[in-house]
Amino acid sequence: ETGVTQTPRHLVMGMTNKKSLKCEQHLGHNAMYWYKQSAKKPLELMFVYSLEERVENNSVPSRFSPECPNSSHLFLHLHTLQPEDSALYLCASSQGTGVRNEQFFGPGTRLTVL
Amino acid sequence: KQEVTQIPAALSVPEGENLVLNCSFTDSAIYNLQWFRQDPGKGLTSLLLIQSSQREQTSGRLNASLDKSSGRSTLYIAASQPGDSATYLCAVRGNTGGFKTIFGAGTRLFVKA
Repeated sequence: ETGVTQTPRHLVMGMTNKKSLKCEQHLGHNAMYWYKQSAKKPLELMFVYSLEERVENNSVPSRFSPECPNSSHLFLHLHTLQPEDSALYLCASSQGTGVRNEQFFGPGTRLTVL
Repeated sequence: KQEVTQIPAALSVPEGENLVLNCSFTDSAIYNLQWFRQDPGKGLTSLLLIQSSQREQTSGRLNASLDKSSGRSTLYIAASQPGDSATYLCAVRGNTGGFKTIFGAGTRLFVKA
């Protein structure tokens, strides 16, 4: 266990549904990240939060909406997704966003959009 | 733009064999390089983190090297075991693109008993 948990572990949703992914870290870290891992493609950084403030939005479509209510919790709200959004969504945390800070990853949420 | 390439894409070896996984990157202006392990459908587990000022890191049967000037890193696994079967990812943290960490596509390793 890395100290980063994600729920749900699996999610199937229709294109008109609204759902949320949750990430929680128990490491006392100040930075949290959302990544997308599509089949046979490298991980893609989506969002970065530092001290509950969004510091990076990597050209992600607005149908993905992040929320960071405190430094321990990170959400990814999903609405009107497309089938190509099906992927493994990984959350990570680090002590800070400085380049020497190691990221710790959660187990991921496997999302399938029908 | 930083690009990270991992070769081979897949590797199958008999148990007990020593093996090397390769990672190359196009921009040598990096701060660190990290090797991860990912089991099927699971998250990433950090194996080794090499800062730009370092040449190698070791942990148990794993040794990672870094040659910034040539844009290469290798992950050496000694005496491979079936439990080593997983996908190994290389990730580079650079000074381009803000906070972005660039990942390779991974090498899928299968160690046969």
